[in-house]
Amino acid sequence: AIRMTQSPSSFSASTGDRVTITCRASQGISSYLAWYQQKPGKAPKLLIYAASTLQSGVPSRFSGSGSGTDFTLTISCLQSEDLATYYCQQYYSDPWTFGQGTKVEIK
Amino acid sequence: EVQLVESGGGLVQPGGSLRLSCAASGFTFSSYWMNWVRQAPGKGLEWVANIEEDGSEKYYVDSVKGRFTISRDNVKNSLYLQMNSLRAEDTAVYYCARGDTIGNWFDPWGQGTLVTVSS
Repeated sequence: AIRMTQSPSSFSASTGDRVTITCRASQGISSYLAWYQQKPGKAPKLLIYAASTLQSGVPSRFSGSGSGTDFTLTISCLQSEDLATYYCQQYYSDPWTFGQGTKVEIK
Repeated sequence: EVQLVESGGGLVQPGGSLRLSCAASGFTFSSYWMNWVRQAPGKGLEWVANIEEDGSEKYYVDSVKGRFTISRDNVKNSLYLQMNSLRAEDTAVYYCARGDTIGNWFDPWGQGTLVTVSS
């Protein structure tokens, strides 16, 4: 199975900050990567697919980049409502696997 | 509005069985792969199983192979997960999630149903 590793596991940032989360795959996955946001007590929500395509309705402050093994999720201007845990997921090969999550807290 | 609603969770003893259901609405259910994804308390996400549009192909994570069975009823617009020989490590919130027609990312997700395996 492809292992997905996110960094950092958690961090705290201020509203207005630019934040970046990294996801690394244990083998090349082309651009077959999605990002999800999970707010406390809620189901995950798709933010980005194909590494960089923003899902309809997702604010433009979210963006994704990367291909192969290294990927990033960037929030250009952190808002209080972005308090959540973020997960990457590869859909290159079965079994579909997720990173361990990055918890974003607001200072 | 696309909607997925899970049901059937609860408390079950180790070795027991449970059947989860997911009712779909707002889209052509028979045109999409469907998935089950779980999340143990305080932990991350784990894909469990998925099923092709007509039910002919099914895939499972190794930890549930031989114990769980995914199925669907395209007339009732419903997805199911039959869980047998349940273990404590199967305790989790189970989410139903639609796969995309292009790639197996998950969107949308249901609200989840909690399965607790404990004596």
